[in-house]
Amino acid sequence: SAVISQKPSRDICQRGTSLTIQCQVDSQVTMMFWYRQQPGQSLTLIATANQGSEATYESGFVIDKFPISRPNLTFSTLTVSNMSPEDSSIYLCSVLTGRYGYTFGSGTRLTVV
Amino acid sequence: EDQVTQSPEALRLQEGESSSLNCSYTVSGLRGLFWYRQDPGKGPEFLFTLYSAGEEKEKERLKATLTKKESFLHITAPKPEDSATYLCAVQPASLSGSARQLTFGSGTQLTVLP
Repeated sequence: SAVISQKPSRDICQRGTSLTIQCQVDSQVTMMFWYRQQPGQSLTLIATANQGSEATYESGFVIDKFPISRPNLTFSTLTVSNMSPEDSSIYLCSVLTGRYGYTFGSGTRLTVV
Repeated sequence: EDQVTQSPEALRLQEGESSSLNCSYTVSGLRGLFWYRQDPGKGPEFLFTLYSAGEEKEKERLKATLTKKESFLHITAPKPEDSATYLCAVQPASLSGSARQLTFGSGTQLTVLP
């Protein structure tokens, strides 16, 4: 299965600032997915990122708040903009890896103070 | 709208005490049902994919089964290292571009006591 390197693993940020999360995959993949996992809750899909096109956002998530880049088939970034304490969550990237289902990065634990 | 409900929310077992976790789902055509294990501070780790009712898969002390409405994750003689949150997710059989996304349940937090 694919191996995903996600960074940073954790960060503490001031409200009003932005944080960019990076995901690097060890193989080329068509679609990458970004999830949010709020404390004590399950995973919620933020957006799907295809290389060469605009990301597709789920209901409740907007590009101005969560801009995504997908410059090539192995890399993507998610930015959490103008952060507030409500953005404190774990953010995860994921790729579809055939028979192994979806592989997830190790996550970025974000705390906004 | 696809829905996934997992029960119980939390389960405490003694080492060696077998049990089952439940995942009930509502989906407009099932492409696949996934089970993941998530340790604290880590991303979900893939366990199984089930595609059709009646299918079963096993891995060490875990066995996953699937019916048309639910899936069970059976844990036989668990050990403390099996302690984790177990997540269930479904992928609909839609032909649209969103067909590959997963809908997750809220998970079952399993604690196995020595």
